[in-house]
Amino acid sequence: DVQMTQSPSTLSASVGDRVTITCRASHSISSWLAWYQQKPGEAPKLLIYKASTLESGVPSRFSGSGSGTEFTLTISSLQPEDFATYYCQQYYSYRDFGQGTKLEIK
Amino acid sequence: EVQLVESGGGLVKPGESLRLSCAASGFTFSRDWMSWVRQAPGKGLEWVGRIKSKADGGAADYAAPVKGRFTISRDESKNTLYLQMNSLESEDTAVYYCTREPQISGWNGWFDPWGLGTLVTVSS
Repeated sequence: DVQMTQSPSTLSASVGDRVTITCRASHSISSWLAWYQQKPGEAPKLLIYKASTLESGVPSRFSGSGSGTEFTLTISSLQPEDFATYYCQQYYSYRDFGQGTKLEIK
Repeated sequence: EVQLVESGGGLVKPGESLRLSCAASGFTFSRDWMSWVRQAPGKGLEWVGRIKSKADGGAADYAAPVKGRFTISRDESKNTLYLQMNSLESEDTAVYYCTREPQISGWNGWFDPWGLGTLVTVSS
């Protein structure tokens, strides 16, 4: 298994803020990383794959970066609909998720 | 439109079995690898297992907590994915999502889209 660790677990921010979520892998996963957004009562939604490729239809305020063991998801200017829980997922070896980061309204 | 619809969830007792189904439409089901992901109440996402396409050998792989108890299969003639769950435990209580691993340039591993999920409750 590849252990995926996200930080922080909870993040409080305001509309318009720039926020960054970090995901660390227990060993190198190259760029084989995806990010998802999940709202309460809904299925997760793909945002980014291959560490930095934005899924079609996802707003450009979302961006991903990193390779190896450290990755980030950045939202450049928070919108009201962005308050949700975010998960990273590696697919270098089988599949593993981070524990999630809950983005709350400040 | 790509669509995945799970069914078969419900309330079962510890030690019992249950089979989940996932009806796929809007894409070439036979070509893509498929996965099951679960989410216990109030918890994060946990990968359960995946099955490769028949063209890639059709093998299934499982996460450690379910290996030996769960079996993933697929029926290309019905565009349907299955999850057979045996010897269920209270820790298996979760919403189970069916999801596709789309291929781009020969690579896959991310999940898109996801079904709405089906709730499995294991309780005496």
